[in-house]
Amino acid sequence: GAGVSQTPSNKVTEKGKYVELRCDPISGHTALYWYRQSLGQGPEFLIYFQGTGAADDSGLPNDRFFAVRPEGSVSTLKIQRTERGDSAVYLCASSLLGQGETQYFGPGTRLLVL
Amino acid sequence: GENVEQHPSTLSVQEGDSAVIKCTYSDSASNYFPWYKQELGKRPQLIIDIRSNVGEKKDQRIAVTLNKTAKHFSLHITETQPEDSAVYFCAAWPKGSARQLTFGSGTQLTVLP
Repeated sequence: GAGVSQTPSNKVTEKGKYVELRCDPISGHTALYWYRQSLGQGPEFLIYFQGTGAADDSGLPNDRFFAVRPEGSVSTLKIQRTERGDSAVYLCASSLLGQGETQYFGPGTRLLVL
Repeated sequence: GENVEQHPSTLSVQEGDSAVIKCTYSDSASNYFPWYKQELGKRPQLIIDIRSNVGEKKDQRIAVTLNKTAKHFSLHITETQPEDSAVYFCAAWPKGSARQLTFGSGTQLTVLP
């Protein structure tokens, strides 16, 4: 079946602008995760959804970052007032039920803030 | 919270030789340890994982060992091939964690033909 998909694959924006990144998880997966990966580093946890609710948002760096998953499937990561330091690859992953299970990653969105 | 350290950061081996990548973790409650392979510009892909109730797991040329007492785990790749060249990440998940998977910083493996 189809894997995790993310759009757009690349996003270039100017400092101060608002961006939305979309994730479409594997069908039937209740758990969805957002990570941020900087160059030469491992993925860094941002937020975890179980169904429609954010079960853990402790990785969001500040209140400029927000994510939603209104119908328990597609999720959108929203970044307000973007800063150059937000430039990174934003990865989404999903798993069937949640904690301690195999996470399947999407291809990521490469965000560049000029 | 959990802290995962990974070594080495880069590793070059001759085709056919073995490669070993090591990770240590800090949280003794961690009980799930996956390894991901990430090729340049691609998504991370799970290659093998191990849970704390076993000490070793093998899948063809890939094996992972876990030492809970020392809090370290290792990835072993035998008979390396050029297509094994990629960045490998280890990760740890503490049971009941509020932070989900914590990843190491990655190892760039290059298999020389």
